[in-house]
Amino acid sequence: DAGVTQSPTHLIKTRGQHVTLRCSPISGHKSVSWYQQVLGQGPQFIFQYYEKEERGRGNFPDRFSARQFPNYSSELNVNALLLGDSALYLCASSLQLLGHTGELFFGEGSRLTVL
Amino acid sequence: DAKTTQPPSMDCAEGRAANLPCNHSTISGNEYVYWYRQIHSQGPQYIIHGLKNNETNEMASLIITEDRKSSTLILPHATLRDTAVYYCIVRVLGYGGSQGNLIFGKGTKLSVKP
Repeated sequence: DAGVTQSPTHLIKTRGQHVTLRCSPISGHKSVSWYQQVLGQGPQFIFQYYEKEERGRGNFPDRFSARQFPNYSSELNVNALLLGDSALYLCASSLQLLGHTGELFFGEGSRLTVL
Repeated sequence: DAKTTQPPSMDCAEGRAANLPCNHSTISGNEYVYWYRQIHSQGPQYIIHGLKNNETNEMASLIITEDRKSSTLILPHATLRDTAVYYCIVRVLGYGGSQGNLIFGKGTKLSVKP
């Protein structure tokens, strides 16, 4: 069975540009979360979506936005890129909201480099 | 900030048990202890979680002290493939908002050596 898939796997952008990252959850999973992982740090929560609605948001500026589509896939958008946005962006899916099991299934991530 | 404290790194000999400690002295009664690991260049992988009782699955065992202020993740027979960063996380059983996400610290880098 396919796990969580993310695209692109690697990309390079310049400061001020915009980026869109995509995620397809495990089939049947209705919740998607996004995390940012800067080198040497643990992942940091950005957003959680469930049934196409935002259900949680971390401490990130408004330059970060996301949405979830009817097929439960998701996009993360980052505007006006800064050098500090260089990171591994991880998508995770779960069957429901992160409730009784706490088990998230992570993708391999999209590595963004901002020059 | 993460509510857990872990040693930054540990070594373990292949075939021996790896015991990874975690301190969560401020844990509240409705918070679970979760363990994830992240192998280099991959996304984090769920290992195990527990509330009060010790738990065991096919990957590992979780030992939680009676006062719940600390726990130990045990990999009974570590292999080279267990080399990874191991994250101990406490979270409330809840839905959405701040309760719905995982707060990762820096974790423990476990190196399994031949």
